Amino acid sequence: DIQMTQSPSSLSASVGDRVTITCRASQSISIYLNWYQQRPGKAPKLLIYAASTLQSGAPSRFSGSGSGTDFTLTINSLQPEDFAIYYCQHGHSLPIAFGQGTRLEIK
Amino acid sequence: EVHLVESGGDLVQPGGSLRLSCSASGFTFSSYGMHWVRQAPGKGLEYVSAINNNGDSTYYADSVKDRFTIYRDNFKDTLYLQMRSLRVEDTAVYYCVKTLSDTYFRTFDFWGQGTLVTVSS
Repeated sequence: DIQMTQSPSSLSASVGDRVTITCRASQSISIYLNWYQQRPGKAPKLLIYAASTLQSGAPSRFSGSGSGTDFTLTINSLQPEDFAIYYCQHGHSLPIAFGQGTRLEIK
Repeated sequence: EVHLVESGGDLVQPGGSLRLSCSASGFTFSSYGMHWVRQAPGKGLEYVSAINNNGDSTYYADSVKDRFTIYRDNFKDTLYLQMRSLRVEDTAVYYCVKTLSDTYFRTFDFWGQGTLVTVSS
């Protein structure tokens, strides 16, 4: 089974900052990597799929990159509503796996 | 607008059974694969089960295999998860999730609000 590892587990940043979250797969998953945002008490929301494709309705300050085993989610010019937990998820094959999550907190 | 509304979550004793339902609207339900994903209190996301658009292909995570059954009624636009032999570790919010497309069967573009299953004596 493919395992997903995110780093860091948490980070603090300020409104207006640029932040990067990393996700690593235990084996190559091509570009089958998705990113989700989960705000407190809410269901996750798809931000990026196929490593770098912005989901319809997601703000353009979110971007993704990578292929193979190493991927990044970048958020430019952090907004107050961006403070949440972010999960990566591989869609290469079953079983699907999520990363453990990265909690983005306000500094 | 896509809507997924889960129901059926409850408090149940270990060894008990429960059936979750997910009522779908706003899209052609019979054209999309569907999944269940769960989240234990304060924890991350765990994949549970999948079903293709016509219901003839299913998949289960090892943690629920032989205990849970996923099925769908395309006439009622409803997804189900029959849960048996429930364990304390099955306690979680269960999300009904829609597949982005056939090409991206394992990408989830819409999530329900979740229904809480608590397994406790």
